[in-house]
Amino acid sequence: EPEVTQTPSHQVTQMGQEVILRCVPISNHLYFYWYRQILGQKVEFLVSFYNNEISEKSEIFDDQFSVERPDGSNFTLKIRSTKLEDSAMYFCASSWGQGARQPQHFGDGTRLSIL
Amino acid sequence: AQSVSQHNHHVILSEAASLELGCNYSYGGTVNLFWYVQYPGQHLQLLLKYFSGDPLVKGIKGFEAEFIKSKFSFNLRKPSVQWSDTAEYFCAVNAENNDMRFGAGTRLTVKP
Repeated sequence: EPEVTQTPSHQVTQMGQEVILRCVPISNHLYFYWYRQILGQKVEFLVSFYNNEISEKSEIFDDQFSVERPDGSNFTLKIRSTKLEDSAMYFCASSWGQGARQPQHFGDGTRLSIL
Repeated sequence: AQSVSQHNHHVILSEAASLELGCNYSYGGTVNLFWYVQYPGQHLQLLLKYFSGDPLVKGIKGFEAEFIKSKFSFNLRKPSVQWSDTAEYFCAVNAENNDMRFGAGTRLTVKP
């Protein structure tokens, strides 16, 4: 069964540095998402992406965050200047259709640790 | 905006015990409901989903969930748990606005 893959599995970064989290969605999926899960808290929606543009974003997704689909397969999340509170598990997801009728398939997640 | 509540933070059961994990949501319109499972060190996996039709939904690994619209609930059940069911379980709600909201999760520990 095709899977969403994320790299790296664990990223350790100094506060203030830029970090890029990478995702390869399922190949025929059209909608892409990023979520995060701070330790001990719920999974929170960050952003959705369709047709090469952001379709929706949460209040968490401020100017420090950006997403990109640089080629036909990768979907990246960039945090420009990381803060301690950005430490979390970041999950990428993709779906074939728009969320209400198509379940999102999640990757393994990238654990981001900010020092 | 919709919200999701999972009442049990941590549930501990012995093998063969029956399981019911509660999930309530708040949203007045049409919703689609999901249960995801996250085994230790692994990704979120879809257990089952409800879009419409029969409110009793059967998923993988012997799990089922019942949508009770009047109670805004979508509880997850399994008649007899196994040690391998030890995981974190997340209820999620997707409404017409396409936003997906997750509950805080319930950690299930099954003792052999």
